[in-house]
Amino acid sequence: EADIYQTPRYLVIGTGKKITLECSQTMGHDKMYWYQQDPGMELHLIHYSYGVNSTEKGDLSSESTVSRIRTEHFPLTLESARPSHTSQYLCASSLQGGNTIYFGEGSWLTVV
Amino acid sequence: DQQVKQNSPSLSVQEGRISILNCDYTNSMFDYFLWYKKYPAEGPTFLISISSIKDKNEDGRFTVFLNKSAKHLSLHIVPSQPGDSAVYFCAASPKTSYDKVIFGPGTSLSVIP
Repeated sequence: EADIYQTPRYLVIGTGKKITLECSQTMGHDKMYWYQQDPGMELHLIHYSYGVNSTEKGDLSSESTVSRIRTEHFPLTLESARPSHTSQYLCASSLQGGNTIYFGEGSWLTVV
Repeated sequence: DQQVKQNSPSLSVQEGRISILNCDYTNSMFDYFLWYKKYPAEGPTFLISISSIKDKNEDGRFTVFLNKSAKHLSLHIVPSQPGDSAVYFCAASPKTSYDKVIFGPGTSLSVIP
């Protein structure tokens, strides 16, 4: 059972607002990821991190940014939300060298 | 261009019967394959995986078959139960970068009591 937590689970915000989606894991995993998924579509990797102070862009271009100051914490920030950012955002983690990714429960973001 | 394809968006199966979910991939560098299950409003949970050195892996009611020559894998659930109703994602990663997991679009399975 994975111990990875995301907050908020559901959020409705207005256009132009700044939002940070929080993600924490208690498994000591070095690698962390953010995926974005629209209903009925694939999960797309938007950010990942190999460890503290490491962040990389994923396969899908995103206007969001991430930071990794602590091993257990990998927040995602949208400086100015737009309706096109409405989606489900899934945080995940894995062991270094591991090939199984463990997901949090997701954050549903709606921008109006 | 999708590297991992799940051509059936949905599947309905009677309780107690076999569910077969299919997945095709295009990248011959893929070396490790996974299935995830996702309930509405939850994150995906890992179900079962298979390495390219095997052609079958079994875990309880779940069996994954891999046909490398056809670049095809399938997940069999026997017997199907109503609690199996969920979206199933096929995923693959290359040997050179196991953390670069590519997901398919998912198949929504409904198990009818």
